[in-house]
Amino acid sequence: DIQMTQSPSSLSASVGDRVTITCRASQSISFYLNWYQQKPGKAPELLIYAASSLEAGVPSRFSGSGSGADFTLSISSLQPEDFATYYCQQSYSSPFTFGPGTTVDIK
Amino acid sequence: QLQLQESGPGLVKPSETLSLTCTVSGGSISSSSFYWGWIRQSPGKGLEWIGSIYFSGNTHYNPSLKSRVTISVDTSKNQFSLNLSSVTAADTAVYYCARDGAAAVGTLGIDAWGQGTLVTVSS
Repeated sequence: DIQMTQSPSSLSASVGDRVTITCRASQSISFYLNWYQQKPGKAPELLIYAASSLEAGVPSRFSGSGSGADFTLSISSLQPEDFATYYCQQSYSSPFTFGPGTTVDIK
Repeated sequence: QLQLQESGPGLVKPSETLSLTCTVSGGSISSSSFYWGWIRQSPGKGLEWIGSIYFSGNTHYNPSLKSRVTISVDTSKNQFSLNLSSVTAADTAVYYCARDGAAAVGTLGIDAWGQGTLVTVSS
């Protein structure tokens, strides 16, 4: 199985801050990396697919980059509704494993 | 607008089989563009991919659960189902059904999720 790691596991930030979350795969996964946002009590929502493609309806302050084994999710200017947990997921090889998550909370 | 809705018992006894069904509305489960799958989340924990199925019946399972999992599809009812046998308390989780974009290699991300259903394993 491909193992996914994320850093940091949590971070505190203020509205307007730029936030960066890193995801690393245990082997190359090409561009098959997806990012999700999950709020308490809700299902996850797809933000970025194929490493850098913005899902329809997702604000442009979210962006993704990377290929191979190292990937980044960036939020250019954090908004109040962005405080949530973010998960990466590799969709290159079954089982399509998720990272452990990064919780973004209010400083 | 595509909607996915899980249904099934919220309480299952240890050693029994957990059975859930996902009903898809607003779209066809027979589309060649998607896989249909199950993901679970134990209380306070992260996401675990369980497995998925193509409309043709082709399946992928998580090896950690493979001996206990069966996913099936009923195209006539636009539904797909999850069976997880010999459950223990460790299988207590919110179970989500989901749609995953098919690609030549792998998939393109889960773009639609059910609301999730909590299944508790307890006697």
